[in-house]
Amino acid sequence: KQEVTQIPAALSVPEGENLVLNCSFTDSAIYNLQWFRQDPGKGLTSLLLIQSSQREQTSGRLNASLDKSSGRSTLYIAASQPGDSATYLCAVKTDQAGTALIFGKGTTLSVSS
Amino acid sequence: DVKVTQSSRYLVKRTGEKVFLECVQDMDHENMFWYRQDPGLGLRLIYFSYDVKMKEKGDIPEGYSVSREKKERFSLILESASTNQTSMYLCASSWSISRSGQPQHFGDGTRLSIL
Repeated sequence: KQEVTQIPAALSVPEGENLVLNCSFTDSAIYNLQWFRQDPGKGLTSLLLIQSSQREQTSGRLNASLDKSSGRSTLYIAASQPGDSATYLCAVKTDQAGTALIFGKGTTLSVSS
Repeated sequence: DVKVTQSSRYLVKRTGEKVFLECVQDMDHENMFWYRQDPGLGLRLIYFSYDVKMKEKGDIPEGYSVSREKKERFSLILESASTNQTSMYLCASSWSISRSGQPQHFGDGTRLSIL
């Protein structure tokens, strides 16, 4: 059964620092991987989606990479800002059929000014 | 932009009540999903639907049912609410298999308390 793990569970950094959030999955046979952001008490906002055939995706200060063979993905945030403070979740889609995502439990990021 | 709208942000109900949570999406997505999110357990899938009147059980369907009479609307029903169903409920939608690379889009969530 596919399991998704995110380490660390929480991270605190000063403003301006570059940082990496980690996501690992146990079964490399994934269809795609999606990174989300969740603000306290709110829903999920999709940040980046990487297809299984891709190695990375970029959006602004965010860069997500995927290494299927090792079962890992990273989310790189450049020049962090206090507004980046949130919980970041990764999720994998295990097949092409329209079934749901398997989520990690998230990394809660706090960026101090 | 995709808009997934959940009818209530906060809801308080009593044990034994029948509870309806409503979700509407405006992108003509074929797939719709209901998750619950609990501290320490993360997001877990309750039910999903890949077409009107079609539904599939997720990981934790017990105590819940769903209804999809129209493509844009997906309802989650707690048949007889219990305190262990106190949780954050999240609705999501996405394109179908033919466009399954597209991301899932989520609503703002409904925080449900059962007293």
